[in-house]
Amino acid sequence: AQKVTQAQTEISVVEKEDVTLDCVYETRDTTYYLFWYKQPPSGELVFLIRRNSFDEQNEISGRYSWNFQKSTSSFNFTITASQVVDSAVYFCALSEVLSGGGNKLTFGTGTQLKVEL
Amino acid sequence: DVKVTQSSRYLVKRTGEKVFLECVQDMDHENMFWYRQDPGLGLRLIYFSYDVKMKEKGDIPEGYSVSREKKERFSLILESASTNQTSMYLCASKRGSATTFVYEQYFGPGTRLTVT
Repeated sequence: AQKVTQAQTEISVVEKEDVTLDCVYETRDTTYYLFWYKQPPSGELVFLIRRNSFDEQNEISGRYSWNFQKSTSSFNFTITASQVVDSAVYFCALSEVLSGGGNKLTFGTGTQLKVEL
Repeated sequence: DVKVTQSSRYLVKRTGEKVFLECVQDMDHENMFWYRQDPGLGLRLIYFSYDVKMKEKGDIPEGYSVSREKKERFSLILESASTNQTSMYLCASKRGSATTFVYEQYFGPGTRLTVT
């Protein structure tokens, strides 16, 4: 079965520190997608990034960067120069192809990031 | 702008009541999903739907049913609410066919349900 592990339950940093959120996954699929979502205190999950299994290039978007390593089944997320507005729960998710031909996402348990002044 | 709305942000119901949670999306998406979110467990899929009148069980369907009579609306039904169904319920939608998994899901703000 698919599995996504976010071992860090909660991380606290001081503003302007860099922080990395870890995500390790297990899958038998050869083609799959990985996602990161942010859930601010308002509750609504916000999509951050999608990465397919054939594209191992790192991606940078402003202060955010993602490191996908297929060899270690990891898709880690780094926030550079963290800000208070980055405080949220972050979820990593993995697409799963179902036996009936459909698909769904398997989510990790989330990492609560607290950025303090 | 993409929008998924849920009928209530907070709901309090009594044990044994029939509960309806409504979700509406305005993006003409084919796929819709219901999750529950509990501390330490992340998001768990309850039911999903690829098209109108179609539904598929997710990982934890017991005690729930769903209805999708129109493309934009996906309802989650708790036939007889129990205290262990106290949770945050999140609705999501996604474009594409049933076999398309490249697209991201768009989420609503969630309904925090308390069953007493």
